[in-house]
Amino acid sequence: DARVTQTPRHKVTEMGQEVTMRCQPILGHNTVFWYRQTMMQGLELLAYFRNRAPLDDSGMPKDRFSAEMPDATLATLKIQPSEPRDSAVYFCASGDRANTEAFFGQGTRLTVV
Amino acid sequence: RKEVEQDPGPFNVPEGATVAFNCTYSNSASQSFFWYRQDCRKEPKLLMSVYSSGNEDGRFTAQLNRASQYISLLIRDSKLSDSATYLCVGNTGGFKTIFGAGTRLFVKA
Repeated sequence: DARVTQTPRHKVTEMGQEVTMRCQPILGHNTVFWYRQTMMQGLELLAYFRNRAPLDDSGMPKDRFSAEMPDATLATLKIQPSEPRDSAVYFCASGDRANTEAFFGQGTRLTVV
Repeated sequence: RKEVEQDPGPFNVPEGATVAFNCTYSNSASQSFFWYRQDCRKEPKLLMSVYSSGNEDGRFTAQLNRASQYISLLIRDSKLSDSATYLCVGNTGGFKTIFGAGTRLFVKA
């Protein structure tokens, strides 16, 4: 059963620490999305990639967030330094064609204290 | 203004009721639309696609009105298991997928 895999599932860290979240998209999917979900803002699109190239990261705070795809099977989202306001659930999703369904991972629940 | 906007609810309805959600989008270039369902502390999952001609799947009907830039979801004969958050989604330029904040539905016995 193909699925998007995210690690870690939960992360608690202290303010100022670096946080790295990882995502393995479904094999064969060449579009990868990173979303952040909070009660106040809902699901916000942070960045997305097509064939490993970043197409749009305008939703991402550039000073502390970075997203990369080192290879087709791994996407990373890094926060350095982390702040309490970064506490949220971070979802990765992947898709294989334009205008079609995005498949979500189970999310990383990040708490910055 | 957000690109995709929804009434956050919550909608509290009894079992068997019919409930409808609307969603508006601001980007007239949006090409495709979807409804996703998200259960508490779970990831969003596709419920159904939305076509200009309308789309029906069992008790669920989705419609798109391009002239007024809104999409709708109608749930007939609500079940307890329909309780969830329903997310409206617009897709611009093929890959940029924008979610609304979601509408919470509670179906009561």
